[in-house]
Amino acid sequence: AQRVTQPEKLLSVFKGAPVELKCNYSYSGSPELFWYVQYSRQRLQLLLRHISRESIKGFTADLNKGETSFHLKKPFAQEEDSAMYYCALTRGSTLGRLYFGRGTQLTVWP
Amino acid sequence: DAGVIQSPRHEVTEMGQEVTLRCKPISGHDYLFWYRQTMMRGLELLIYFNNNVPIDDSGMPEDRFSAKMPNASFSTLKIQPSEPRDSAVYFCASSARTGGITGELFFGEGSRLTVL
Repeated sequence: AQRVTQPEKLLSVFKGAPVELKCNYSYSGSPELFWYVQYSRQRLQLLLRHISRESIKGFTADLNKGETSFHLKKPFAQEEDSAMYYCALTRGSTLGRLYFGRGTQLTVWP
Repeated sequence: DAGVIQSPRHEVTEMGQEVTLRCKPISGHDYLFWYRQTMMRGLELLIYFNNNVPIDDSGMPEDRFSAKMPNASFSTLKIQPSEPRDSAVYFCASSARTGGITGELFFGEGSRLTVL
């Protein structure tokens, strides 16, 4: 069975500090991993996906199959990064059916 | 496109009453998902449809929950009878498989349900 674990429910950093939101997964096949973000009073939306190898709003995430991790990182956090972040996994065969972690609430203090 | 549209945005009802949540997916999307969000359990998939056909309803908590998708532009999630533990935010999302790449999910704004 597949599972996504985000060990931190809450994470606080100061503006300008590096931030890392942890995500570990369990799945025996080849998953596709995503990070979704929900800003206050906004819809849950895709932040980035591992297959695109992209940097969005300064965030990057590298899929580490050996450690089964997909941590989200940003070298210098900004106040506007404060939001709820969800790591999600899909099996390629299930065409978009996402399994979400429980989320990490990031607060960036001024 | 206005995105995924859900109604009502807020619903307060009494235990035992029937609740119907509605969703209009993005035009052209062939997948529709219903998720429930609670503090304790996070985001849970309840059911999803492909081309209006339910594919996986294993996340539906119990028989009190039912979902339908009579056409490509409309879906409902019904709870009958409702209970206080059903209080949550219910999200609808839609997606489309594009070019062989797993589709991004587009979420609605959610329906916040409170059962007294």
